[in-house]
Amino acid sequence: KAGVTQTPRYLIKTRGQQVTLSCSPISGHRSVSWYQQTPGQGLQFLFEYFSETQRNKGNFPGRFSGRQFSNSRSEMNVSTLELGDSALYLCASSLVGSETDTQYFGPGTRLTVL
Amino acid sequence: GDSVTQMEGPVTLSEEAFLTINCTYTATGYPSLFWYVQYPGEGLQLLLKATKADDKGSNKGFEATYRKETTSFHLEKGSVQVSDSAVYFCALNKAAGNKLTFGGGTRVLVKP
Repeated sequence: KAGVTQTPRYLIKTRGQQVTLSCSPISGHRSVSWYQQTPGQGLQFLFEYFSETQRNKGNFPGRFSGRQFSNSRSEMNVSTLELGDSALYLCASSLVGSETDTQYFGPGTRLTVL
Repeated sequence: GDSVTQMEGPVTLSEEAFLTINCTYTATGYPSLFWYVQYPGEGLQLLLKATKADDKGSNKGFEATYRKETTSFHLEKGSVQVSDSAVYFCALNKAAGNKLTFGGGTRVLVKP
């Protein structure tokens, strides 16, 4: 079974631009979560989608948004990019997103904001 | 709120040494507990998990026991290899839905 895939793997943007990252979950998985990883803040939860609905949200500003499609693929968007948004963005999928489910992570998208 | 605390690294060991990484958590209720490993340039891989008190998770020689009385989930391996060099993350998941709370990560370096 193919793993979680994320595109693109690397991205360079400038301040003020917007960016869209994509995540394809493992086949059959319906829950997709997004995390931001930075050296200073570590791994932080952004949001989770299940059956095209946002079910959980972390403490990030409204510039960070996401959506999920009927095939469970997910996108996240960051508008008005700031230097501090430079990070590794990780997507994870699981079957139904229960607290006992294992989350399977993709390789991440490395975003650099100049 | 929920939180996970793990020992800071880096932890430097010789091959075949014993590895322990301490992890404690703060959460109400009964979270599930996880250890993930991250190799350079990669995403996170699940190492092991435990979903209720006194459960022991194990995989690839690594073990961790869910201790509710001490709110801990320490990771151990009896004999490390150079290939175990990585960053290890302890995490909990309590709410319905995928909302992992991670510790800060512990970098482990195993020297031949």
